[in-house]
Amino acid sequence: KNQVEQSPQSLIILEGKNCTLQCNYTVSPFSNLRWYKQDTGRGPVSLTIMTFSENTKSNGRYTATLDADTKQSSLHITASQLSDSASYICVVSARTSGTYKYIFGTGTRLKVLA
Amino acid sequence: ETGVTQTPRHLVMGMTNKKSLKCEQHLGHNAMYWYKQSAKKPLELMFVYSLEERVENNSVPSRFSPECPNSSHLFLHLHTLQPEDSALYLCASSQDAQPMGGYTFGSGTRLTVV
Repeated sequence: KNQVEQSPQSLIILEGKNCTLQCNYTVSPFSNLRWYKQDTGRGPVSLTIMTFSENTKSNGRYTATLDADTKQSSLHITASQLSDSASYICVVSARTSGTYKYIFGTGTRLKVLA
Repeated sequence: ETGVTQTPRHLVMGMTNKKSLKCEQHLGHNAMYWYKQSAKKPLELMFVYSLEERVENNSVPSRFSPECPNSSHLFLHLHTLQPEDSALYLCASSQDAQPMGGYTFGSGTRLTVV
């Protein structure tokens, strides 16, 4: 069964600290993996997309990693800011016969405190 | 503003009411989607429209009725809803119905059924 599991469910850190969010998946055949940021009361916004051959991709203070062998991804946030408070959603796509199917995780809710 | 606009932002309705959610995209995309986001659950795909034709309906109850009059507008007509239908309803668009490039989400309509 195609599944995406994220951990932790929620996280509280102090401003300026680093943190790492995890995403484990059992999606096959794997096509790509995206991390989205969803601010409270807003829709998700894409942060990064990673394909099978990519191990690391950065977007400012956000760095995503992908290990396609262990089917794990992480999102590392460096020097956190108050504006990083949001839910972070991992989405994995499978491609079968030219059709994409998107499997969403439940998200990690991050709170950054001053 | 992401280019996908949803109205209203908040809606409270009784179980016997009829209401409609509206989505408009200004991105020239050909595919539009309705997603349901409930607390602590992954996003659930409800409907997919490509070039104004419904291409996917994920076993959604008939009390939800989508309408796509053109490629820029998408509606979700609601009638005789249940309290468990309370959720954030997100509209999204993409260049085509196989969005390797990902979705652009609206800010959602927070629906409460009383």
